[in-house]
Amino acid sequence: EAQVTQNPRYLITVTGKKLTVTCSQNMNHEYMSWYRQDPGLGLRQIYYSMNVEVTDKGDVPEGYKVSRKEKRNFPLILESPSPNQTSLYFCASSSRDYSNQPQHFGDGTRLSIL
Amino acid sequence: AQKITQTQPGMFVQEKEAVTLDCTYDTSDPSYGLFWYKQPSSGEMIFLIYQGSYDQQNATEGRYSLNFQKARKSANLVISASQLGDSAMYFCAMRERAGRRALTFGSGTRLQVQP
Repeated sequence: EAQVTQNPRYLITVTGKKLTVTCSQNMNHEYMSWYRQDPGLGLRQIYYSMNVEVTDKGDVPEGYKVSRKEKRNFPLILESPSPNQTSLYFCASSSRDYSNQPQHFGDGTRLSIL
Repeated sequence: AQKITQTQPGMFVQEKEAVTLDCTYDTSDPSYGLFWYKQPSSGEMIFLIYQGSYDQQNATEGRYSLNFQKARKSANLVISASQLGDSAMYFCAMRERAGRRALTFGSGTRLQVQP
């Protein structure tokens, strides 16, 4: 089954404790992206990757890091999480023909930073 | 300026009736895609339908159709024969070919289907 898998689905943690949200896709997609969803602000892109070893900032990259060492994986790293990073996070992927291909989303990760 | 505008924060519809969710967009890129996603209360984002900027015909997927009016820059979602399971948030999104090719989302419309 074609899917984007995020882990964990839920996490409650404390300020400053490094965490990683994993994302893996099995569709051989080149393009992968992270979004955060906040009430009243909608979904905003954090980082994206057009291919292996190619990553770049989205709209709200501050406080986040990513890496793309393999095509299928695109982890999101919070080196020193803060309460303003409490949000619902989505990983998404799509194939090379960017504009007309839907991005397939993972089921989301609810992060609470206390 | 807002790239995607959804002017209906909430909508009610009776079961089995049709409903139209509005979406207008703004872009100078001649090549772009328009998408609708459904987000049920469980939180996942479900792709519903796609319309390309060069497509001559309106897209349809089962009970979903997209009323694409390019000159007016509108891409309204029509759901026919609403079902209780259609109750959810609906997001219109655009992806331009130029630049970083992110999906730009509207603020969403919460649809509630009443029995």
